[in-house]
Amino acid sequence: EVQLLESGGGLVKPGGSLRISCAASGFPFSDYAMSWVRQAPGKGLEWVSTMYGRSTTTFYADSVTGRFTISRDNSENTVYLQMNSLRAEDTAVYYCAKDRGGALQHYMDVWGKGTTVTVSS
Amino acid sequence: DIQMTQSPSTLSASVGDRVTITCRASQTLSSFLAWYQQKPGKAPKLLIYKASTLENGVPSRFSGSESGTEFTLIISSLQPDDFATYHCQQYNTYPYTFGQGTKVDIK
Repeated sequence: EVQLLESGGGLVKPGGSLRISCAASGFPFSDYAMSWVRQAPGKGLEWVSTMYGRSTTTFYADSVTGRFTISRDNSENTVYLQMNSLRAEDTAVYYCAKDRGGALQHYMDVWGKGTTVTVSS
Repeated sequence: DIQMTQSPSTLSASVGDRVTITCRASQTLSSFLAWYQQKPGKAPKLLIYKASTLENGVPSRFSGSESGTEFTLIISSLQPDDFATYHCQQYNTYPYTFGQGTKVDIK
């Protein structure tokens, strides 16, 4: 069974940093791109970042470019999101998702339960 | 960026009703559109990809279609388990973008 388990969320002050993780199991992790999607309280979904499976190819939303970094450890079946210079508007549930699709177009077929990040003084 | 305009934002319906949700893209998507269902406090669940392909295990009362840049999710006969929020997502071009969501609640 494919499973994704996020961890590392919490309360952080504006301007602070946090790294969240997503441990994957049940599929050949390095064969798949992985994404982070967030949802602010009472709001819709916002794609944040994607990293391809075996390359260093990454993509970011404009709202996080230069502040967030996605990375992965294929030996540990884990994907990370390093979040720096956090702002109140980054407060959200952050979901990890497994991508599926062609070379360039991926949709998210499996999602984790999410981890909550709260940015507040 | 591709803008996704989803309507309606809220829809009140009864069990057995036919429900239609629409997403309009600001650019052509070459059918690269997905639909997700999300229940309160839960993660989204993939329903449909490539505009009209039903994900394994999703009931056949769900269907998707497209006409140009307009995409439609149809629930042919609403069931109690279907009361949820539905999101469309384009994955033709980065940055991927979602619609605002449609909450389907009980009339």
